[in-house]
Parts: sequence; structure tokens; C-alpha cells
Amino acid sequence: GESVGLHLPTLSVQEGDNSIINCAYSNSASDYFIWYKQESGKGPQFIIDIRSNMDKRQGQRVTVLLNKTVKHLSLQIAATQPGDSAVYFCAETLPPPKAAGNKLTFGGGTRVLVKP
Amino acid sequence: EAGVAQSPRYKIIEKRQSVAFWCNPISGHATLYWYQQILGQGPKLLIQFQNNGVVDDSQLPKDRFSAERLKGVDSTLKIQPAKLEDSAVYLCASKGPDNEQFFGPGTRLTVL
Repeated sequence: GESVGLHLPTLSVQEGDNSIINCAYSNSASDYFIWYKQESGKGPQFIIDIRSNMDKRQGQRVTVLLNKTVKHLSLQIAATQPGDSAVYFCAETLPPPKAAGNKLTFGGGTRVLVKP
Repeated sequence: EAGVAQSPRYKIIEKRQSVAFWCNPISGHATLYWYQQILGQGPKLLIQFQNNGVVDDSQLPKDRFSAERLKGVDSTLKIQPAKLEDSAVYLCASKGPDNEQFFGPGTRLTVL
């Protein structure tokens, strides 16, 4: 299949280990953040989101941490599996009315490679 | 439920030619987005529709790009004429009443 990104930062992780993907967002006024997973040849897929009034949110095997002081977002994947191999993007959005309809601004992405 | 459908999946054209992409959003989703994703980058919003009206087209290169959603359901994105730098994946997404955007598989455009 086609590659989503040939020159992205890459995180290589052993199967079963935990992964941490980092993202620096751009706008201090952003109030909603989402992590997306994009596999080769597919569109981005929602993983987990967090609002700016929270600093941590957990899903199934994933945790998102938000540090508004330094405008930093991270995604932790527990017990990484081969199916987690993909490119991961963070996205931010401003509160209405500046972002009517939730206009997303995406970061540059990180490729995760899971080694068996 | 069926996801966002896009066609074609791949398109190769020469510069200065025209091309059109089609998107069928998830049934009932009022909001539709077109994104451009250049290789190695995150998607960039081109245009956003709410039903058949344009909400945001501030990043659409209007001298060559156009989009429509005449009946508030399907949408088409056109490039005329295409340039080499238009080579990218064009993603369509739709959103229902909550915040989650659902993306289609994209159309990969190569301009030679």
C-alpha cells in the first residue's frame, strides 16, 4: 500500500512495550484536541479526544495527557501491538465561534513501527 | 453504518489538466469537509460545508479549486488546471451532531 509519510519522525517500539507519542500544538486558545491514527492507504481514524479543562483522559489501551502550560499533548499506547503500526496525528480546534463546525488543525505526525 | 465513500481512489493526470473528486458522506451528516494531505504532512482543511452552504473556504486556492454540495449530501471537488504541487491525497470527512469527524479513504492524485 501507499505510504502516508516517508519523512516523518519515527518511533520504533517492541511489541508489548508502551509507546509515547508527543505533539506540540500551536494555539494557546485551542480548547479541544484529538489524536488520529492513519494506516497506509486509509483516512485518519479517531482514537481519543480531550478538552482543555482536563489534563488526562483514558481509553482502551490509550491515554492522552494535556499540558496547557507548555502546549504539549501526548498519546500513550499500552502494550503496543503490531496493529498499532501507523502514523499518528494530533489535531486541535478553537472554540466557537472562531471554529464553527470544529475546524481541525493537524500537526505533522509521527510514524510508529512495532517490531515483533 | 457505512462510512464516507470517495472516488476515484487514484488519479494520474498531466499538469494543466482538470480533475474532479467525489465524496458521499455518512447518511445524515450535515457537515462535510475536504482536506488536502501532502505526503509527509498532516491533512489541511480546504473547505467546509454545512448542508449545502460553505462555512469556511479560507484555505481553498480559488483560482483553480472549486467545490460544491448542491443538494447537501454528495460533494465534488474540482481542480482546473492542475499544477505539480497539487499532487496529494484528497480526503473527505463528515461530521454528525457530536464532535467526531469520520474520514473517507481519500483520493491519491498524481500530477505529472
